[in-house]
Amino acid sequence: AQSVTQLGSHVSVSEGALVLLRCNYSSSVPPYLFWYVQYPNQGLQLLLKYTSAATLVKGINGFEAEFKKSETSFHLTKPSAHMSDAAEYFCAVSNAGGTSYGKLTFGQGTILTVHP
Amino acid sequence: ETGVTQSPTHLIKTRGQQVTLRCSSQSGHNTVSWYQQALGQGPQFIFQYYREEENGRGNFPPRFSGLQFPNYSSELNVNALELDDSALYLCASSSPGGTEAFFGQGTRLTVV
Repeated sequence: AQSVTQLGSHVSVSEGALVLLRCNYSSSVPPYLFWYVQYPNQGLQLLLKYTSAATLVKGINGFEAEFKKSETSFHLTKPSAHMSDAAEYFCAVSNAGGTSYGKLTFGQGTILTVHP
Repeated sequence: ETGVTQSPTHLIKTRGQQVTLRCSSQSGHNTVSWYQQALGQGPQFIFQYYREEENGRGNFPPRFSGLQFPNYSSELNVNALELDDSALYLCASSSPGGTEAFFGQGTRLTVV
């Protein structure tokens, strides 16, 4: 069984400040890890993914995440927040290969608020 | 290339009724997964269809059922609707050899 824990249901930052959204996972097999963003009343958009290549993954809109196996973590960061980053962010885990990428286990989500 | 499209975008049903939600997968994608996202929660995996067969199911009762058609589009059917079925239903498609799932905009179902 797999699970994801996102620490902090709400994170608030000032525009230009560092964004750090925390994600810890549990998996009995080597995981594939994903960060998705959801704007109000919309579907999910993939920000970035870890699929067992480089442990530091760069995504869209200046976001990146680092896979740390020893800490079972996959935290999302962005050096400088922009007002348009305000949204809900979800960390997700899946098994590798074949059709597994569609069988995602999600965390509860973190709502990011950006203050001017 | 069109993305994943879902219909309808919103609907309201009465408790005990049945509902069908539809999803067109992205071109070239033969796998469709369905998720339920209750208010304030992360999406939960309902089931997946691969080449017209169910290919894995989450912790949902049998009144949640689905179909996949030869063109890889899919339906989610929910019978005997309950108030707790009110949620955003998301469809995601993925391709053979791909490494990610692409999501549609969702269908917002309200059960009254």
